[in-house]
Amino acid sequence: DIQMTQSPSSLSASVGDRVTITCRASQTINSYLNWYQQKPGRAPKLLISVASSLQSGVPLRFSGSGSGTDFTLTISSLQPEDFATYYCQQSNSPPYTFGQGTKVEIK
Amino acid sequence: EVQLVESGGGLVKPGGSLRLSCAASGFTLSGYSMNWVRQAPGKGLEWVSSISGGSTYIHYADSVKGRFTIFRDNAENSLYLQMNSLRAEDTAVYYCARGTATMTNNCFDPWGQGILVTVSS
Repeated sequence: DIQMTQSPSSLSASVGDRVTITCRASQTINSYLNWYQQKPGRAPKLLISVASSLQSGVPLRFSGSGSGTDFTLTISSLQPEDFATYYCQQSNSPPYTFGQGTKVEIK
Repeated sequence: EVQLVESGGGLVKPGGSLRLSCAASGFTLSGYSMNWVRQAPGKGLEWVSSISGGSTYIHYADSVKGRFTIFRDNAENSLYLQMNSLRAEDTAVYYCARGTATMTNNCFDPWGQGILVTVSS
């Protein structure tokens, strides 16, 4: 099975900060990497698919990059509504494993 | 509007069974793979199971293999998860989520609101 490792597990940042979250796969997954945002008490929401494809309606401050085993989610200028937990997920092959999550908190 | 609504959760004793349902609307169910993902209290997301549009391909997490069965009724626009031999560690919010047409790059969008399953004596 492919293991997904996110870092950091949590971070504190201020509004306007640039935030970067990384996700590493235990073996190559090509570009089959997706990013989700989850707010407390809510279902996850797909932000980015295939490593860098921004979903409709997702603000342009979100971007994704990477291929193979190393991937990055970047929020260029953190907004109050971005405080949430972010998960990566590999969709190269089942089991479709998730990273452990990165909680973005207000500094 | 694409919508997924789960039902069937609740409290069940260890060793018991429960069947979750997911009612889909706003799209043609047969054109998409469908998935179950769960989240234990205070924990991260765990993929549980996936089924292709025509039910040809089915996959399970090792943690539920042999105990859970995913199936679908495209005519009724519904997805199901039959859960048997339930354990305390199956306690979680269960989400259904739409996948992709071919299960290639099986990203999940959208998700239902989730339904709580509690396994406790």
